[in-house]
Amino acid sequence: NAGVTQTPKFQVLKTGQSMTLQCAQDMNHNSMYWYRQDPGMGLRLIYYSASEGTTDKGEVPNGYNVSRLNKREFSLRLESAAPSQTSVYFCASSEALEGARVYYEQYFGPGTRLTVT
Amino acid sequence: KNQVEQSPQSLIILEGKNCTLQCNYTVSPFSNLRWYKQDTGRGPVSLTIMTFSENTKSNGRYTATLDADTKQSSLHITASQLSDSASYICVVTGGYNKLIFGAGTRLAVHP
Repeated sequence: NAGVTQTPKFQVLKTGQSMTLQCAQDMNHNSMYWYRQDPGMGLRLIYYSASEGTTDKGEVPNGYNVSRLNKREFSLRLESAAPSQTSVYFCASSEALEGARVYYEQYFGPGTRLTVT
Repeated sequence: KNQVEQSPQSLIILEGKNCTLQCNYTVSPFSNLRWYKQDTGRGPVSLTIMTFSENTKSNGRYTATLDADTKQSSLHITASQLSDSASYICVVTGGYNKLIFGAGTRLAVHP
């Protein structure tokens, strides 16, 4: 039971290059998330997927696209990388989305450290 | 504006000592508050989750408190160990699926 896995662990891109960050979970969770973590700031939500077949923008979606390939996998794509996208990217999953009176634990992957030069 | 502020930014303590980390929030509406531990190079791991009706919750040597009136929470670590060295992140959920993360407190436990 690996939980949430992410690939790659590290990546260096040149400005303008594209890449896809992969995420998979084996907990049969419905909801999945992509966050970025920058120094001195809290994690910020990029995109999320409430369930298979649906995706929605989070707080900072510009410059990114996502695909919920199936229930297990949720990928994040940078079409044309910019230095401002240098960050650590975390994928997370939960049983379902939070509601007004119901919460679900979010489980995080180990992160991908991306540097754009 | 919904915000979660944590203090101190960083803290150094000696092994075996206790410490308390603070979290103030201005998130509304309030649904729940959680504390995460993030080891260097790893993803955050949940320590506790508290709803508005709970004012204290423990997880081993970690005890979180919540004062919903003053919008403050604290995380108390008892008898610290070297393995407690990590960042501790306060997260407040406000409204539907809206998690607001604090920037974290970086704790270093020295022998």
